[in-house]
Amino acid sequence: QVQLQESGPGLVKPSGTLSLSCNVSGDSISGGNWWTWVRQPPGQGLEWIGEVYRTGTANYNPSLKSRVTISLDKSPNQFSLKLTSVTAADTAFYFCAKVDQSKFRNLHSWGQGILVTVSS
Amino acid sequence: DIQMTQSPSSLSASIGDRVTITCRASQSISNYLNWYQQKPGKAPNLLIYASSSLHNGVPSRFSGSGSGTDFTLTITSLQPEDFATYYCQESFTSGTFGPGTKVDIK
Repeated sequence: QVQLQESGPGLVKPSGTLSLSCNVSGDSISGGNWWTWVRQPPGQGLEWIGEVYRTGTANYNPSLKSRVTISLDKSPNQFSLKLTSVTAADTAFYFCAKVDQSKFRNLHSWGQGILVTVSS
Repeated sequence: DIQMTQSPSSLSASIGDRVTITCRASQSISNYLNWYQQKPGKAPNLLIYASSSLHNGVPSRFSGSGSGTDFTLTITSLQPEDFATYYCQESFTSGTFGPGTKVDIK
């Protein structure tokens, strides 16, 4: 059973960089699946941020592409999210999840989420 | 970019009601359509993948249908634990979510 856990600062200053990690257990990020980040502003809907593959290839939401980087940290089986030039609009719960490539790329394993607030 | 819409944005229903939520993609996504249920303060839970395949452990009162651009999630005989927000997601190109449908108690 794969488990994911987000970690990182809960408070980031405006114009700063949001950096989060997702620790994966019960599966290898070097396997045949993609790994993704999704966010949700408080009281609002879900927004797909992007995803990364074992090769390091990444795809991003066009609306965030200029500011976002998702990468692999193979030791110890983590992947990360960096979002630059943040504003209050980036305040959200951030979730990491596994993309099940064998079942139409569904997201059946999620972390519990971490709230990141952008404020001075 | 593929845009996803859902209707209605919210609905009120009673225990035992049949509930139908629709999702539309701005272009064909074949059957690369997933449905999730989310309760406050929790991560989303996968209900349906590939438009109509029930995820492990999901009650059979949930069903999905559709292909191309138009999809439906149906809950037969709504139960108390089903009051939540439901999201569709296309997985044909990236992972865009619909705006959600909140189901609350009438």
